[in-house]
Amino acid sequence: NAGVTQTPKFQVLKTGQSMTLQCAQDMNHEYMSWYRQDPGMGLRLIHYSVGAGITDQGEVPNGYNVSRSTTEDFPLRLLSAAPSQTSVYFCASSYVLDPYSYNEQFFGPGTRLTVL
Amino acid sequence: DQQVKQNSPSLSVQEGRISILNCDYTNSMFDYFLWYKKYPAEGPTFLISISSIKDKNEDGRFTVFLNKSAKHLSLHIVPSQPGDSAVYFCAASARGTSGTYKYIFGTGTRLKVLA
Repeated sequence: NAGVTQTPKFQVLKTGQSMTLQCAQDMNHEYMSWYRQDPGMGLRLIHYSVGAGITDQGEVPNGYNVSRSTTEDFPLRLLSAAPSQTSVYFCASSYVLDPYSYNEQFFGPGTRLTVL
Repeated sequence: DQQVKQNSPSLSVQEGRISILNCDYTNSMFDYFLWYKKYPAEGPTFLISISSIKDKNEDGRFTVFLNKSAKHLSLHIVPSQPGDSAVYFCAASARGTSGTYKYIFGTGTRLKVLA
């Protein structure tokens, strides 16, 4: 199993450009999520999905779009990049969460994005 | 508004001693709490969890304590080893507005274990 894979590893964009960060998992996990990590801010949830066709907003969704057409893939789209979106982005997956148990989230290696 | 807070950005401990990492939260509806460990240039990895109906969970050198009345949890590492040097995040699972569950993470504490 490859686990959670993210591409690209590094990306530099100019303000106003668009791009898609790719995330894929081969563990048949229903739950997938995107986080950004910034100094002093920890990991902040951007968007998450509990299955194909179902997405929901996290703590910092503005400026990002997601869709989930398959179980395996959960791409994150930046429609018009801004310098404030310079960050390290992590994708994670797990089995569906519920109030009676936890499920370990598996994280990808991250994408380091710089917006000039 | 940060629902999960780790007020100590960094902590240094001598090898062999106890490391105590703290986490505070504001939402009394959190169901599960977890600790993740992160090395540089890698994604976080799961360490240990605790249900909101428990007050302690132990796994080898790692113990998590939960004080619901104080909305506080802590991770104890005994004995600390140089390989434990990493950033530690606490996280909580909660129901989102659509009824689905999600994880909320704290700001992280950088632990340095000195040999």
